[in-house]
Amino acid sequence: GNSVTQMEGPVTLSEEAFLTINCTYTATGYPSLFWYVQYPGEGLQLLLKATKADDKGSNKGFEATYRKETTSFHLEKGSVQVSDSAVYFCALSTLSNTGKLIFGQGTTLQVKP
Amino acid sequence: GAGVSQTPSNKVTEKGKYVELRCDPISGHTALYWYRQSLGQGPEFLIYFQGTGAADDSGLPNDRFFAVRPEGSVSTLKIQRTERGDSAVYLCASSLDGTGEAFFGQGTRLTVV
Repeated sequence: GNSVTQMEGPVTLSEEAFLTINCTYTATGYPSLFWYVQYPGEGLQLLLKATKADDKGSNKGFEATYRKETTSFHLEKGSVQVSDSAVYFCALSTLSNTGKLIFGQGTTLQVKP
Repeated sequence: GAGVSQTPSNKVTEKGKYVELRCDPISGHTALYWYRQSLGQGPEFLIYFQGTGAADDSGLPNDRFFAVRPEGSVSTLKIQRTERGDSAVYLCASSLDGTGEAFFGQGTRLTVV
C-alpha cells in the first residue's frame, strides 16, 4: 500500500545550522508530495509541494526535491531559526482529483538560540 | 470565516457515550476531509466529501463512525458507543475543489475516559 516514512525526532539544532529531515515513500503511480508544518498551538499548514519527478518545492527558505529514483522528498534548510521550531509532516497524494493525503509520523524540530 | 473552524476544541466523554464533532470549512470550498491524529503519529484519513456526498469513506475505522455534510458546507463527525481507543485529535480540512491546497483546522481533542 501507499505509505510515508520520516526520520524519527526530535531533531535539535542550534540557530543557523543546516537542516535535513528525511522522507521516503512507497506509492503506486505518480504521487504528489508535500511537506506540512505544525507550529505550537496552530493547525497544520502546507509548507511546500512537488507534483512530478525532479520538481523542487520551496517556501520560507525550505526546499525539497522529488526524487523518483530514490522515492524520497527530503526537506532541507540552509540556516534554521528559532521560529522554525515545529513538527514537520511529509505526505503524499496519489489521487489528484480528491486531494486525500497520506502522512508520515512527523518529525519534531527544536532550534535553540 | 477566515479559516477552517472546529468545535469544540476539547471534548471529554465517558466510554459508551455518543459524541458529535463539528467542522466549518472555508466558505466556497467544496472538498472537506476528516483525519484522526493519535499521539506521536501523523494524521490518518477518515473520510472525504465533495459537496454533500461522501466520495471516499474508506478510512472510517468501523460502523461506529459516521459523518454528514447535508448542505455541502458544515460537516459533523459522529461517533457512537465511544471507546478509549477513540481518544485522539480529530482534524478537519477543506480545499477549493479537491485538487488544490488543503487548509486544516486546529482540531478537536477527544478524550474518552
